Amino acid sequence: DQQVKQNSPSLSVQEGRISILNCDYTNSMFDYFLWYKKYPAEGPTFLISISSIKDKNEDGRFTVFLNKSAKHLSLHIVPSQPGDSAVYFCAARAPGEETSGSRLTFGEGTQLTVNP
Amino acid sequence: NAGVMQNPRHLVRRRGQEARLRCSPMKGHSHVYWYRQLPEEGLKFMVYLQKENIIDESGMPKERFSAEFPKEGPSILRIQQVVRGDSAAYFCASSPGTPYSNQPQHFGDGTRLSIL
Repeated sequence: DQQVKQNSPSLSVQEGRISILNCDYTNSMFDYFLWYKKYPAEGPTFLISISSIKDKNEDGRFTVFLNKSAKHLSLHIVPSQPGDSAVYFCAARAPGEETSGSRLTFGEGTQLTVNP
Repeated sequence: NAGVMQNPRHLVRRRGQEARLRCSPMKGHSHVYWYRQLPEEGLKFMVYLQKENIIDESGMPKERFSAEFPKEGPSILRIQQVVRGDSAAYFCASSPGTPYSNQPQHFGDGTRLSIL
């Protein structure tokens, strides 16, 4: 049961253009969403997050949009830079009982390649 | 990924041996999470611990796997009688607050476990 899905395994964009990474989820109880970036042989690095009470959060070149009715979130990177080339994971957390509230559910990841 | 320290970075074991993976959380963090990543997949939650307490182990296989976070020292993920299917990257994450606070989890660089 894949509750968080990233349907695009890869994305290639030109330097300076916008990168848009998408993520869909099925669990309507998710209340907090995060994006992580991962380089090979390293752990995921936190990028940006959004609470379900918001529909947009911006941090520098990174903006996350949340569409709760569509159960969809996206990460926009503009302008894209070659150093942004990495695997991007979206993750989600559901509230509820303390024993389950902390767990993050991850998508499968999207490999972003930014070409110079 | 500075802060969450995992060791060893690489671990090779033969089938039937034991694997012990260690994780020291970021300074000031008292919540530790373990995730496993199989090739070409996203991270899958295994267990969530606080000092001397297992809070949620719903993602951990019932047999051969155990985790602890003692009062002193790192968190340990222990895999007994390893099998080939245990080959994966094991990531530890930590966070400072309660599960309900919107604090991102910060990850270490992982332990790559290879079973011969």
